Amino acid sequence: DAGVTQSPTHLIKTRGQQVTLRCSPKSGHDTVSWYQQALGQGPQFIFQYYEEEERQRGNFPDRFSGHQFPNYSSELNVNALLLGDSALYLCASSGTRSDTQYFGPGTRLTVL
Amino acid sequence: QKEVEQDPGPLSVPEGAIVSLNCTYSNSAFQYFMWYRQYSRKGPELLMYTYSSGNKEDGRFTAQVDKSSKYISLFIRDSQPSDSATYLCAIPHSLYNQGGKLIFGQGTELSVKP
Repeated sequence: DAGVTQSPTHLIKTRGQQVTLRCSPKSGHDTVSWYQQALGQGPQFIFQYYEEEERQRGNFPDRFSGHQFPNYSSELNVNALLLGDSALYLCASSGTRSDTQYFGPGTRLTVL
Repeated sequence: QKEVEQDPGPLSVPEGAIVSLNCTYSNSAFQYFMWYRQYSRKGPELLMYTYSSGNKEDGRFTAQVDKSSKYISLFIRDSQPSDSATYLCAIPHSLYNQGGKLIFGQGTELSVKP
């Protein structure tokens, strides 16, 4: 049973660029959440997708947007990258049978 | 005031020691409390969760909640080098949806020396 997968593993971008991160949820899960984890900090909630709609959003600017596809996979898009966007981006999935969120390994984004 | 606060450490202990990790929270209405473990370059994995006050034990791990003090703890008995990781406390923001936004503490980096 594959767990949560994310791609790419690492990414280097320059300020002002745009980036797309991808997540495939654990089998049987239909809800995807995205978190940003800065170095030495706990994860911060960005938003959650369920039934292809953004269901909940944290305190992140509109530069952060997302999408969920019919197969429940999800993308996180960040526009106009800032140096402060450098972080580990974590995807977590959960299902209707269990609210427990299972995390993927993350995508490490470096903005130069 | 942050909703969940956690001493970042780092904490270094010898193998076999009892480890105590702690968090405080601000909202007395919170009901579910979780502990995640995160190894270097990995995503967090759920260790334990507790509901309301009291203790919950799972092998060498014990989670404790004191709602009167808004204080949660994770104890690790007979610590092993393989326990070296960052430990994160987490609380669901919604009182009605544990699958929604999680509020994490800063994480405590633990190192268990052989």
